[in-house]
Amino acid sequence: QVQLVESGGGVVQPGRSLRLSCVTSGFTFDSYAMHWVRQAPGKGLEWVAVMSYDGGNTYYADSVTGRFTISRDNSRNTLFLQLNSLKVEDTAVYYCARGGIVLVPAALDYWGQGALVTVSS
Amino acid sequence: EIVLTQSPATLSLSPGERAALSCRASQSVAYYLAWYQQKPGQAPRLLFYDATTRATGIPARFSASGSETDFTLTINSLEPTDFAVYYCQQRSNWPLTFGGGTKVEIK
Repeated sequence: QVQLVESGGGVVQPGRSLRLSCVTSGFTFDSYAMHWVRQAPGKGLEWVAVMSYDGGNTYYADSVTGRFTISRDNSRNTLFLQLNSLKVEDTAVYYCARGGIVLVPAALDYWGQGALVTVSS
Repeated sequence: EIVLTQSPATLSLSPGERAALSCRASQSVAYYLAWYQQKPGQAPRLLFYDATTRATGIPARFSASGSETDFTLTINSLEPTDFAVYYCQQRSNWPLTFGGGTKVEIK
């Protein structure tokens, strides 16, 4: 079955960095675009970033452009999100999710359980 | 970016009743709209994509309709497991955007 497992969350001070990982299994990872979506405590869902199946193309939300970097290692079936220059408002549960085969806006059919990032001094 | 407005924010209903949730887009998204269910402490679960196509394993008591700017998710005969927050999401344009959610709570 399809599984996505995030890790790397934690408590970090404003201005510092963190790297999230999402290990996947149960599907052909290198055939799918992959996304990160976040959810601040008690709030709704906010899309963060997407990377194409081959890593050649990316899109980001304006709120994270220039600070966050999405990447992937298809040999390890793993998606990453590098979070730099963190702000208090970046505090959220970060989910990785599977998109479509081509890099077009898509519905997200499988989600991980999320990794909590808390930015606090 | 396309703004999705969900209403009502909260729906208080009893098991067995029918729920109708609305999602309105700030501009046409054609049929490129998805619905998700989220329970406390869990990840979202895809219910429908492309406005009316039911995702794998979604019970028939759930249905979805709409196009362009107006969409509806209907849950017939609510079961205890259906009490949750529901989100709509457009895939017409980047960035992907979500509605603010509708909480379906037990009356």
